Amino acid sequence: NAGVTQTPKFRILKIGQSMTLQCAQDMNHNYMYWYRQDPGMGLKLIYYSVGAGITDKGEVPNGYNVSRSTTEYFPLRLELAAPSQTSVYFCASSYSQGANTGELFFGEGSRLTVL
Amino acid sequence: DQQVKQNSPSLSVQEGRISILNCDYTNSMFDYFLWYKKYPAEGPTFLISISSIKDKNEDGRFTVFLNKSAKHLSLHIVPSQPGDSAVYFCAAVDGSARQLTFGSGTQLTVLP
Repeated sequence: NAGVTQTPKFRILKIGQSMTLQCAQDMNHNYMYWYRQDPGMGLKLIYYSVGAGITDKGEVPNGYNVSRSTTEYFPLRLELAAPSQTSVYFCASSYSQGANTGELFFGEGSRLTVL
Repeated sequence: DQQVKQNSPSLSVQEGRISILNCDYTNSMFDYFLWYKKYPAEGPTFLISISSIKDKNEDGRFTVFLNKSAKHLSLHIVPSQPGDSAVYFCAAVDGSARQLTFGSGTQLTVLP
């Protein structure tokens, strides 16, 4: 099993450009999450999904959008990139019990720089 | 307002000795507490957890202690090994919101 796969691993954007960070999981997990990690900070939740067709905002959703058309995929969209969105982005997934106990499976991360 | 705090950004320990990583929290609604380990250029991986109804959980060299009255938890690694060198994140689950809140992490370096 590949687990949680994120692409791209690195990307440089210009201010105002848009892009999509891809995330796929092959564990048939219902729950999926997007986090961002800024230097010296913990991970902050951007958006999450409890199943296909259902998404909800986390702590820092502004400037992002998500969709969940299937169980496997959970892309994160940046519409108008800003320097404040320079960060490392992590996608994660969990089974239902894991969502209750906090046991998440993370991808390797996508490092985004906005110049 | 940081609900989960790791006040030590870094910790260095000699190989074979005990590593103690600390974490404080403020939200009384947290009912699960976890430690994640992160190597450079990798995602965090789950290490060990503890329910709020317990005060200790042990898994091999790793033990997590929870002091609810002090709103404090700690991770003990005994004996420490060079491969344990990583960033350790403390995290907690809000019982009502079902969301995970992370601390800022502690870089552990185990010296050979």
